Amino acid sequence: AQKVTQAQTEISVVEKEDVTLDCVYETRDTTYYLFWYKQPPSGELVFLIRRNSFDEQNEISGRYSWNFQKSTSSFNFTITASQVVDSAVYFCALRGYSGYALNFGKGTSLLVTP
Amino acid sequence: DAGITQSPRHKVTETGTPVTLRCHQTENHRYMYWYRQDPGHGLRLIHYSYGVKDTDKGEVSDGYSVSRSKTEDFLLTLESATSSQTSVYFCAISSGTGNTGELFFGEGSRLTVL
Repeated sequence: AQKVTQAQTEISVVEKEDVTLDCVYETRDTTYYLFWYKQPPSGELVFLIRRNSFDEQNEISGRYSWNFQKSTSSFNFTITASQVVDSAVYFCALRGYSGYALNFGKGTSLLVTP
Repeated sequence: DAGITQSPRHKVTETGTPVTLRCHQTENHRYMYWYRQDPGHGLRLIHYSYGVKDTDKGEVSDGYSVSRSKTEDFLLTLESATSSQTSVYFCAISSGTGNTGELFFGEGSRLTVL
């Protein structure tokens, strides 16, 4: 079974603060794929990143960075110097090697205030 | 832009009536999905398709059926809508030729069952 837990339901920060969104996953597959999506208030789902289980290198994209740790089954997402436009619901997702679909966490709602 | 169009985007219907949501893609992707999004539950898979006339159930398939007679169209049908099926429905396609790619989503269809 595949399971994703996003323990933080809501986070509120002030602009320019750094914020980390936690994602813990469970899978019995040795090969799997992890994803992050952003859902802004307008409602669309925006793909942010895919990480393969055999690639443990962390990734940075502008103000966004992702920390993948197999030892703790976590794939955390950090936004540096947050901005109001970062306000959204963020979803972490998992697909096992043999799976056809993504299993999503329940999401973390991030509010960035000026 | 992954070329995914959902219709209708908004629908209000009465309990017991049939409803069909349409997902149309323009890029010949093999894998297509229907998810529903509800507060506190994140996104949950209803059904998916891995080719024309090839479909399978997801975790919340009760009360839903799907059909895929052409590569470009994936239909989701509620045979007799219930209030518990009030939700936002998202269609998605899987990038690449296999099933390991990220999903790209349509804009969503908001269904209200009175």
